[in-house]
Amino acid sequence: AQRVTQPEKLLSVFKGAPVELKCNYSYSGSPELFWYVQYSRQRLQLLLRHISRESIKGFTADLNKGETSFHLKKPFAQEEDSAMYYCARLTNTDKLIFGTGTRLQVFP
Amino acid sequence: EPEVTQTPSHQVTQMGQEVILRCVPISNHLYFYWYRQILGQKVEFLVSFYNNEISEKSEIFDDQFSVERPDGSNFTLKIRSTKLEDSAMYFCASSAGPDTQYFGPGTRLTVL
Repeated sequence: AQRVTQPEKLLSVFKGAPVELKCNYSYSGSPELFWYVQYSRQRLQLLLRHISRESIKGFTADLNKGETSFHLKKPFAQEEDSAMYYCARLTNTDKLIFGTGTRLQVFP
Repeated sequence: EPEVTQTPSHQVTQMGQEVILRCVPISNHLYFYWYRQILGQKVEFLVSFYNNEISEKSEIFDDQFSVERPDGSNFTLKIRSTKLEDSAMYFCASSAGPDTQYFGPGTRLTVL
């Protein structure tokens, strides 16, 4: 079965600290992977997709096929980064499979 | 920037009643989806819709569920006879192609 695993339910850091939100996926091949973010009381918003290889709001994510990982990183967390973060992969039938999400709390 | 919209934001219904959740996808998008998230659980795929027919449905999407695109703008999810376990956030999404999906704000369905 195709799975996306986010091992941490909660990640708490202080402002200015580095952040790494972990995501691992099952299945070999070339996955299409995404990070979505959900700020309090707002919709799921696309943060990153791996094929674009861009940095959004200081976040980056690199696909590591050897480790089947797509961890989300930011060198210096900001309070406004506090949100739920979901890793997801697009299947070959165009549905998204989500991880369970990680809540990031950034303390001042 | 165009967004997916959903109505209502919150729907409360009695068990056994029919509910219709409404979505207006982004106007030039061709692919439409429904997902749901039971409180404390992950976001789960329900159904995808393209070219006026269901492309794929999950095992959750049983005979009690149906989707429709009644006109050029709306995309609806109907639950014929709601059960307590249908209580969840329901998210609509749309995409221009088999690609990045854009989500609506969700409808919170509470079945009493």
